[in-house]
Amino acid sequence: DAGVTQSPTHLIKTRGQQVTLRCSPKSGHDTVSWYQQALGQGPQFIFQYYEEEERQRGNFPDRFSGHQFPNYSSELNVNALLLGDSALYLCASSSTGVGNTIYFGEGSWLTVV
Amino acid sequence: AQRVTQPEKLLSVFKGAPVELKCNYSYSGSPELFWYVQYSRQRLQLLLRHISRESIKGFTADLNKGETSFHLKKPFAQEEDSAMYYCALSDSPRLGDMRFGAGTRLTVKP
Repeated sequence: DAGVTQSPTHLIKTRGQQVTLRCSPKSGHDTVSWYQQALGQGPQFIFQYYEEEERQRGNFPDRFSGHQFPNYSSELNVNALLLGDSALYLCASSSTGVGNTIYFGEGSWLTVV
Repeated sequence: AQRVTQPEKLLSVFKGAPVELKCNYSYSGSPELFWYVQYSRQRLQLLLRHISRESIKGFTADLNKGETSFHLKKPFAQEEDSAMYYCALSDSPRLGDMRFGAGTRLTVKP
């Protein structure tokens, strides 16, 4: 089991552009959550998807949107990029059940110039 | 509002010394509390959670609801414990919406 995989690993975008980040959850997990981690900060919750719908959302603007596919993989889209969007974007997968645990991917480093 | 506070950004101890990483939280319900660890060049991984009451790698953490704290402790620190430690809470059965503290970087000196 490869665990949670994310792509791309690193990318550089220009202010105003749009970006799409991708995530494949751990085998057996049906829930995907996205986090933004700025330098020197803990991860901040963006939103959570399961059953192909956004179920919970953190304090992020509508420029941040997502999608979950029938195979449980997910995308994070950010429109109209700002310099402040430069961060590590983490994907985490989980499921329900006793003893459930969330697993994190290695993240996608986004630099906005 | 839900908030997790880790008052120390940096903590340095000598090998064999006891270590305590502090975590305080504010939350009106009964969240589940976690400690996550991130070793150099590795992904964030679960260290322990309060409901399991396990000791992982010699670390323990006791939930004190009266003081709303969940401090992480180890009696004898090892050099391999050097890492970034994050305290987090969640009130979701799917655990996705973790609220993290800013983290404490622990350095264990030889």
